[in-house]
Amino acid sequence: GENVEQHPSTLSVQEGDSAVIKCTYSDSASNYFPWYKQELGKRPQLIIDIRSNVGEKKDQRIAVTLNKTAKHFSLHITETQPEDSAVYFCAALLGSQGNLIFGKGTKLSVKP
Amino acid sequence: DGGITQSPKYLFRKEGQNVTLSCEQNLNHDAMYWYRQDPGQGLRLIYYSQIVNDFQKGDIAEGYSVSREKKESFPLTVTSAQKNPTAFYLCASSRTASGRRQETQYFGPGTRLLVL
Repeated sequence: GENVEQHPSTLSVQEGDSAVIKCTYSDSASNYFPWYKQELGKRPQLIIDIRSNVGEKKDQRIAVTLNKTAKHFSLHITETQPEDSAVYFCAALLGSQGNLIFGKGTKLSVKP
Repeated sequence: DGGITQSPKYLFRKEGQNVTLSCEQNLNHDAMYWYRQDPGQGLRLIYYSQIVNDFQKGDIAEGYSVSREKKESFPLTVTSAQKNPTAFYLCASSRTASGRRQETQYFGPGTRLLVL
């Protein structure tokens, strides 16, 4: 069935380095791709999203890129800080009903 | 997303018991969703509702039921038929979910369900 693959499942970086998380999707008709950050025991919070009519979107230290031909999109975090440590989920709009399908998450650890 | 509330924060279920999780939103959103989150897994869709008095099954609806009698409320019942209910349950809402135009989903704080 339709799915979203997310890699890596865990990522450890030094403070100040960049972090990149990648997702691939199966439905070529998908047109909406949000990224959520979830701290331990908390609700997922939307940090950035992109629609299929653009290839890149930036918000301060966070950027998302979309390659529709290859059906993958990526989250880029620059100048990482310890407070960036969390689980990050990508999602894509899939299915005939237009529901979001989530990746399995990436646990990011930023070491001071 | 402070406009979405879930209660209780923790819920304990005994064998054979039905339990109901509450979800309320004051954002005037049309669409509401229930997700289940297991450790190391993404969010899986249980049920969703695009409008009052209508709801649809998601990917893992077996053992669950919902109602949508009011725009603000979308309670989820975990029935005794759900044999492995221990999980973190998240409710979400969005302004609309018509066709393939997806609006941003905002999440509630979650309910952690544990089996005694």
